Amino acid sequence: KQEVTQIPAALSVPEGENLVLNCSFTDSAIYNLQWFRQDPGKGLTSLLLIQSSQREQTSGRLNASLDKSSGRSTLYIAASQPGDSATYLCAVSVGSQGNLIFGKGTKLSVKP
Amino acid sequence: DGGITQSPKYLFRKEGQNVTLSCEQNLNHDAMYWYRQDPGQGLRLIYYSQIVNDFQKGDIAEGYSVSREKKESFPLTVTSAQKNPTAFYLCASSQLANTEAFFGQGTRLTVV
Repeated sequence: KQEVTQIPAALSVPEGENLVLNCSFTDSAIYNLQWFRQDPGKGLTSLLLIQSSQREQTSGRLNASLDKSSGRSTLYIAASQPGDSATYLCAVSVGSQGNLIFGKGTKLSVKP
Repeated sequence: DGGITQSPKYLFRKEGQNVTLSCEQNLNHDAMYWYRQDPGQGLRLIYYSQIVNDFQKGDIAEGYSVSREKKESFPLTVTSAQKNPTAFYLCASSQLANTEAFFGQGTRLTVV
C-alpha cells in the first residue's frame, strides 16, 4: 500500500531564507507527483506537477525534484516571504484512475 | 474565470439527516473526485468519476453517495449512515486521469 510521508511536520524560518520541504513515498510505481499549497480553511492550490519520467519542475521561486527510484521529492523555496506561510502538501498519483495519495503536510511559517 | 465551485462553504447537519454538497466545474474536465480532510490526517478519497454516468468508490465510501449526471457537476450526499461526518470536504477535477488536479475551496460540514 502506497504511503506518503512529509518531514518536517512544521517549519519556521526567517524571511529571505532558502528552504527545502521533503516528501517520501513507499512505492515507486507512480504516474506523477504534485505539490500543493493550502491556506487555513481554504482549498488546495496546485504548485507544481512532476511526471514520473521527469526529474524536476520549476515555477518562479519554486523548484520541485523527483527521484522515483528512491521514493523522494523535494520542494525548494528560494528567498522565502511571509506570504509563503501555509501548509504544503505532496501527493502521488497511483493507478490508472488518477487517485491521489497525500502526505499529512508541512506547515511553514515565514517570520518577517 | 475557470475553476471549481463548491457550495455551501459551511454546512450543519442534524443527527439522522442527509445533506448534499455541491461541486461544479467549468474547466471541461472529464475526471472529478471527492476527498475528505480531517485534522492531522492526509486527504482521503471518497468517490471518483472519470466519465458522465459512471463513478467508483474510493477508500472511505461508506455512508456517502454521488451522482454524475452532467460533466460539470459531481454532488456528494452525506447520508445518515456516515457516523462521523464532521470534516472538511474537497472536490477536485482533472482533464483526464493522472493529469494536474485542481481543487475547490471546500465545504466544512459540522454535525450539531
